[in-house]
Amino acid sequence: GAGVSQSPSNKVTEKGKDVELRCDPISGHTALYWYRQSLGQGLEFLIYFQGNSAPDKSGLPSDRFSAERTGGSVSTLTIQRTQQEDSAVYLCASSPVMNQPQHFGDGTRLSIL
Amino acid sequence: GENVEQHPSTLSVQEGDSAVIKCTYSDSASNYFPWYKQELGKRPQLIIDIRSNVGEKKDQRIAVTLNKTAKHFSLHITETQPEDSAVYFCAALTGGGNKLTFGTGTQLKVEL
Repeated sequence: GAGVSQSPSNKVTEKGKDVELRCDPISGHTALYWYRQSLGQGLEFLIYFQGNSAPDKSGLPSDRFSAERTGGSVSTLTIQRTQQEDSAVYLCASSPVMNQPQHFGDGTRLSIL
Repeated sequence: GENVEQHPSTLSVQEGDSAVIKCTYSDSASNYFPWYKQELGKRPQLIIDIRSNVGEKKDQRIAVTLNKTAKHFSLHITETQPEDSAVYFCAALTGGGNKLTFGTGTQLKVEL
């Protein structure tokens, strides 16, 4: 079946611009996660959604980062006033419910000039 | 919060040899430990996982062991092949079961 889908696959933008990254989880998965992977580094947790519960935003690095999940399916991660240190691969994962194996999308490679 | 340490950062083995990657975690409440393989420019792929109620799990050439007392878990790959070359990440599920904390990765190179 279809896996986790992310778009765009690549995004290049100028410092100070806002960007929106999209994640379409595996159908039926109620848990959705965003991670960030800087070059040559491990994955850093950003935010987690489980059904209609309040999201766990504890990993968001600053108030320039926000995310929403509409209708319990598609999620968008928004970065406002982008900075060069925001350059990274942003990965989305989903799982049937929390505490179950997480499956990743291909990520969005974000480059801030 | 949870802290996961992974060693070694790079590992080079000859084809056919075994490879072992080790991780330690800090949060004794962690109860799920997956391993991901990531090839260059690709998504992390789950290759094996283990829960805290078992000590070992095996899937063909791959096995994972868990020592809850020592808060230590390891990935074992036997009869390594060139296609095993990739970066491997361990992780621990914590925060009430809603976030994975990842190790910093091991670059495995299997040489002919």
